[in-house]
Amino acid sequence: GENVEQHPSTLSVQEGDSAVIKCTYSDSASNYFPWYKQELGKRPQLIIDIRSNVGEKKDQRIAVTLNKTAKHFSLHITETQPEDSAVYFCAASTSGSSNTGKLIFGQGTTLQVKP
Amino acid sequence: NAGVTQTPKFQVLKTGQSMTLQCAQDMNHNSMYWYRQDPGMGLRLIYYSASEGTTDKGEVPNGYNVSRLNKREFSLRLESAAPSQTSVYFCASRTGTSSYEQYFGPGTRLTVT
Repeated sequence: GENVEQHPSTLSVQEGDSAVIKCTYSDSASNYFPWYKQELGKRPQLIIDIRSNVGEKKDQRIAVTLNKTAKHFSLHITETQPEDSAVYFCAASTSGSSNTGKLIFGQGTTLQVKP
Repeated sequence: NAGVTQTPKFQVLKTGQSMTLQCAQDMNHNSMYWYRQDPGMGLRLIYYSASEGTTDKGEVPNGYNVSRLNKREFSLRLESAAPSQTSVYFCASRTGTSSYEQYFGPGTRLTVT
């Protein structure tokens, strides 16, 4: 069935370093790839997304890259700050998502930024 | 706008009890979703409603039922709660037109003993 694998499950970096989280997806029909950030005890919130007709998208310190051929996409955070500490989820749309909006989520990455 | 709201915030049930989790959105969104979140498992889709009047199963529907009461409200019912249903439950919605973005509610933390 449709599947999204996310790695690593935990990531610890020093403040100011970069962090990279990678996801692979199985459904070749997937065409929308969002990233959500979830702070402890809070709801997931969208931080960046990319559609399949674009290879890279940036928003200040965060960027997402997509390789459709290899079916993987990555989140890059530069100049990390302690407030970037959270759980990050990737997701991919599924066949028929244009009508249903269904997303398949990865397992999550706990990012810790050490001051 | 309150966005997506959920009640209750916390609930403790005994095995076999039933309850309904409520979700409402005031953004005039067409599609609504129920997820459960367990440690190390990400967000798994239980049921969804692509539009008012329709509901469909997601990845993990067993033990749950849903009702799309109107365009604003989408409830999730546990008929006979089991310890395996201990989880955090999130409701989400999206416009259902050109946007895929989902907006999440604050969650309900459910414990079944």
